Amino acid sequence: SQTIHQWPATLVQPVGSPLSLECTVEGTSNPNLYWYRQAAGRGLQLLFYSVGIGQISSEVPQNLSASRPQDRQFILSSKKLLLSDSGFYLCAWTLGNSGNTIYFGEGSWLTVV
Amino acid sequence: AQKITQTQPGMFVQEKEAVTLDCTYDTSDPSYGLFWYKQPSSGEMIFLIYQGSYDQQNATEGRYSLNFQKARKSANLVISASQLGDSAMYFCAMREDPLGSNFGNEKLTFGTGTRLTIIP
Repeated sequence: SQTIHQWPATLVQPVGSPLSLECTVEGTSNPNLYWYRQAAGRGLQLLFYSVGIGQISSEVPQNLSASRPQDRQFILSSKKLLLSDSGFYLCAWTLGNSGNTIYFGEGSWLTVV
Repeated sequence: AQKITQTQPGMFVQEKEAVTLDCTYDTSDPSYGLFWYKQPSSGEMIFLIYQGSYDQQNATEGRYSLNFQKARKSANLVISASQLGDSAMYFCAMREDPLGSNFGNEKLTFGTGTRLTIIP
């Protein structure tokens, strides 16, 4: 069966410091991968998606970037964090030809101080 | 205009009663999918149920059913015989499939959620 993991689960970082959140999917190949952010008390906002290695699409301009160095690995990064980057980050995956469910990882709580 | 609207920010329901969580959507694409996710306090997003725009029957998954009214663009979640463990945030989401789109790109648009609290 397929599983998705992301880490770290929680992170407290000072303003201006770098960020790296990692997500990996097991049990499948060539998944579509997504990074979502959820601000406190709000719904989810799509940040990036990827349909293949090295293919990244950004949904909103921001202080973050994403990379997909391997088929089942998706990384969310920032060179210099802002206070507004605080939130709950969720990685998700789906099989492109299924047309159905998107599954989420456990999430990463980021607090920028 | 909001693509997904959940008008109930919070609901309190007595244990064992049925509960309906409202969701309306807005799209001009003939092909789309509607999802409900549950988010407990741990933060994980748990998939509950899916309804395709061309599905003839309402989706059901155990105690969850989706009341799909296409003409009204409504996709309410119904939870039968609610349990204390049902207390969580519930999100409605939509995936649009524009004609000619790459079906490898299933982006979801989420509503703002409904916080459901089950009272013993």
